[in-house]
Amino acid sequence: QKEVEQDPGPLSVPEGAIVSLNCTYSNSAFQYFMWYRQYSRKGPELLMYTYSSGNKEDGRFTAQVDKSSKYISLFIRDSQPSDSATYLCAMSVGYGGATNKLIFGTGTLLAVQP
Amino acid sequence: DGGITQSPKYLFRKEGQNVTLSCEQNLNHDAMYWYRQDPGQGLRLIYYSQIVNDFQKGDIAEGYSVSREKKESFPLTVTSAQKNPTAFYLCASRGKGSGQPQHFGDGTRLSIL
Repeated sequence: QKEVEQDPGPLSVPEGAIVSLNCTYSNSAFQYFMWYRQYSRKGPELLMYTYSSGNKEDGRFTAQVDKSSKYISLFIRDSQPSDSATYLCAMSVGYGGATNKLIFGTGTLLAVQP
Repeated sequence: DGGITQSPKYLFRKEGQNVTLSCEQNLNHDAMYWYRQDPGQGLRLIYYSQIVNDFQKGDIAEGYSVSREKKESFPLTVTSAQKNPTAFYLCASRGKGSGQPQHFGDGTRLSIL
């Protein structure tokens, strides 16, 4: 079993829809959770970053962490064609340690249809 | 503009050849990382460096080598010992202090001729 599981999609939605992207994980020691957006042939771009449980909102994006269920989500409101990309979740045990090693999901491919 | 620059964008390797991928950052970050991205497998850590003249192996270091002679630069060499080098290679860096996330360059796509 992988440490981080993410549905690869593709997920196709109409413009303006609310998008829900999810990851599950098995290591209860994970404390830092990130979502990256990756356009084709580009590097991942940090979208959201949360520590421990709870919600974080930034514009049209909301990240949720449920540590009791080992489940994280990214919601995109009023989705736009420019949101079409691969979304990667990533997580780490901590930043105080030597490596800041990130464990990534495989990514979900999102297509927002105009 | 501050950022991470990877070059070249595309690289082709012949059998038995070593190739070197460049990664330069002007963010004054101490830590730098190399990842490999394959379809359906996510990103896997090859090597990382927390300070100049020091680096550690990641999860898939076999067939790769790195150096860290300058803070700004962390080149990756894909040696002939790496039998399956075709992949998208990503360099990342991170600032000092807890809570600093990793930021990525735009990658180098390596293919076999």
